[in-house]
Amino acid sequence: AQTVTQSQPEMSVQEAETVTLSCTYDTSESDYYLFWYKQPPSRQMILVIRQEAYKQQNATENRFSVNFQKAAKSFSLKISDSQLGDAAMYFCAYRRNTGNQFYFGTGTSLTVIP
Amino acid sequence: DGGITQSPKYLFRKEGQNVTLSCEQNLNHDAMYWYRQDPGQGLRLIYYSQIVNDFQKGDIAEGYSVSREKKESFPLTVTSAQKNPTAFYLCASSPMTTSANTGELFFGEGSRLTVL
Repeated sequence: AQTVTQSQPEMSVQEAETVTLSCTYDTSESDYYLFWYKQPPSRQMILVIRQEAYKQQNATENRFSVNFQKAAKSFSLKISDSQLGDAAMYFCAYRRNTGNQFYFGTGTSLTVIP
Repeated sequence: DGGITQSPKYLFRKEGQNVTLSCEQNLNHDAMYWYRQDPGQGLRLIYYSQIVNDFQKGDIAEGYSVSREKKESFPLTVTSAQKNPTAFYLCASSPMTTSANTGELFFGEGSRLTVL
């Protein structure tokens, strides 16, 4: 079974600074999808960014970018110019290309310090 | 607007009672899911369904039941057999992966169940 590991239960960052959240996964497949979701205190899960494994280029969405290292099975999220509204739980998720199962990490709680 | 609607948002139950959580989507997604979220444990899959009238157990299906009679609806029943049902429950749906999309999950706002 696929596993997703987030080794940082908690992280903090100064407002306007940059922070990187780590995620590693275990798979024997070559084609899959990776996601980062944000869960603010409202508990609504929001998609932050997505990455197709067959694409070598790292995905970017405004202040959010990923460092996708396929051989190392690593998928870290970089948040630039951190804002107070970025404070949330962040979950890394994996989806196989075939089938509909998703696998989630245990999350990283991000605190933004004013 | 398209989306996923979960109800109720908060629910209280006495021990020994069954309760049903509603989940409706108007995104025309084929797959639907129920997750349970406890502090420090991330999201755990209870059940998922890929098509109408078919569903599969997830990692923690014991004490839960589901139905998928319509594409838009995937209700979850928490039965009295569930030993520790107090939790936050999230419903989600996803489209099939295609060249145009990555089939990500779309979530409802969640339902908080508390057993008294």
